[in-house]
Amino acid sequence: GQQVMQIPQYQHVQEGEDFTTYCNSSTTLSNIQWYKQRPGGHPVFLIQLVKSGEVKKQKRLTFQFGEAKKNSSLHITATQTTDVGTYFCAANDYKLSFGAGTTVTVRA
Amino acid sequence: DTAVSQTPKYLVTQMGNDKSIKCEQNLGHDTMYWYKQDSKKFLKIMFSYNNKELIINETVPNRFSPKSPDKAHLNLHINSLELGDSAVYFCASSPRGSMYGYTFGSGTRLTVV
Repeated sequence: GQQVMQIPQYQHVQEGEDFTTYCNSSTTLSNIQWYKQRPGGHPVFLIQLVKSGEVKKQKRLTFQFGEAKKNSSLHITATQTTDVGTYFCAANDYKLSFGAGTTVTVRA
Repeated sequence: DTAVSQTPKYLVTQMGNDKSIKCEQNLGHDTMYWYKQDSKKFLKIMFSYNNKELIINETVPNRFSPKSPDKAHLNLHINSLELGDSAVYFCASSPRGSMYGYTFGSGTRLTVV
């Protein structure tokens, strides 16, 4: 299966600030999915990106798929305490292979 | 009306025991999965079934045996439990095809002592 690397592993953010988490692959991805897992919870599907250069928004979350389809990013603006959790990207071929995740904590 | 339900939520057992985790989905999805999440939150696929047929069997010790009596159920039986089996096990389901997000169950936290 395809491997994806996620950075940073941890992100400590002041409430109200923006941050970005990145997902990189050495091979071209057919598509990529993003999930959020709250502390003590289970992964919840956020979005899927399929097209080269695709950009999708969900309120304060902006997801991008690179032109070469080898990288993706999630940008969160005006971070809130509800954004706490671990964000995973996952490469989707015949199975879903998850990155290691970015764990986000928020300072009020 | 839980979409993907797993039981039990917590499981504490001694080394060497045999245990089972059950999973049921009411979404009408064709494909079900077992994932293992370790203490570092890394999610690794173990098995996948499509309409009762095993389609993915990752490098997992043969002490782990999945069973799918019908496409709405996927159970996981573990023999001779070891300390290293301690983890959170997630069941998930998705419609047929790779274009859809997975719906995860709430997880089973297995602790082997």
